[in-house]
Amino acid sequence: SQKIEQNSEALNIQEGKTATLTCNYTNYSPAYLQWYRQDPGRGPVFLLLIRENEKEKRKERLKVTFDTTLKQSLFHITASQPADSATYLCALGNTGFQKLVFGTGTRLLVSP
Amino acid sequence: KAGVTQTPRYLIKTRGQQVTLSCSPISGHRSVSWYQQTPGQGLQFLFEYFSETQRNKGNFPGRFSGRQFSNSRSEMNVSTLELGDSALYLCASSLGAEANYGYTFGSGTRLTVV
Repeated sequence: SQKIEQNSEALNIQEGKTATLTCNYTNYSPAYLQWYRQDPGRGPVFLLLIRENEKEKRKERLKVTFDTTLKQSLFHITASQPADSATYLCALGNTGFQKLVFGTGTRLLVSP
Repeated sequence: KAGVTQTPRYLIKTRGQQVTLSCSPISGHRSVSWYQQTPGQGLQFLFEYFSETQRNKGNFPGRFSGRQFSNSRSEMNVSTLELGDSALYLCASSLGAEANYGYTFGSGTRLTVV
């Protein structure tokens, strides 16, 4: 069955450093991958989408890579700030479908 | 513009009861999807509606149902509630017919079954 793995342990980093979160998947060939941010008690917020034919995408301090051979995506936040503290979810999808398959998320804690 | 609105925000129900949750998508968004989020399972897909038609359904029992109205507003219903139905129910709307535009989620309805 489809499986998406994100590090269940919280990632603790210092302000100003680069945070790198990992999303690995098996038994799936997604057409695109999305990253979301979720704060406690709130719905996820869409951050970035990367397609299977794209290697890298950037948006301000965010960078996403997508390696379909390794079946892995890396999500980077450069110059991290305490306000970046949240849970980050990756989600996979395919063309022709509205269903996304979500990972369980990684909690990021950025300390001043 | 207004975001995705879900009502109510919190709900406490007793086992065996039924519940209806409501979702108003962003204006112009015709696709509405529902997800259940629990600490153990994460976000699980329930179903998706586009132009009043259910196009996709997740692996949930028939007690979970939904519908979409002509103005794109959507409701989901859970009958014969069980303790395990306690969760955050999230509605998401999307501009396109596919999820490759990214979802806009509501803040969710926190359902507690006692």
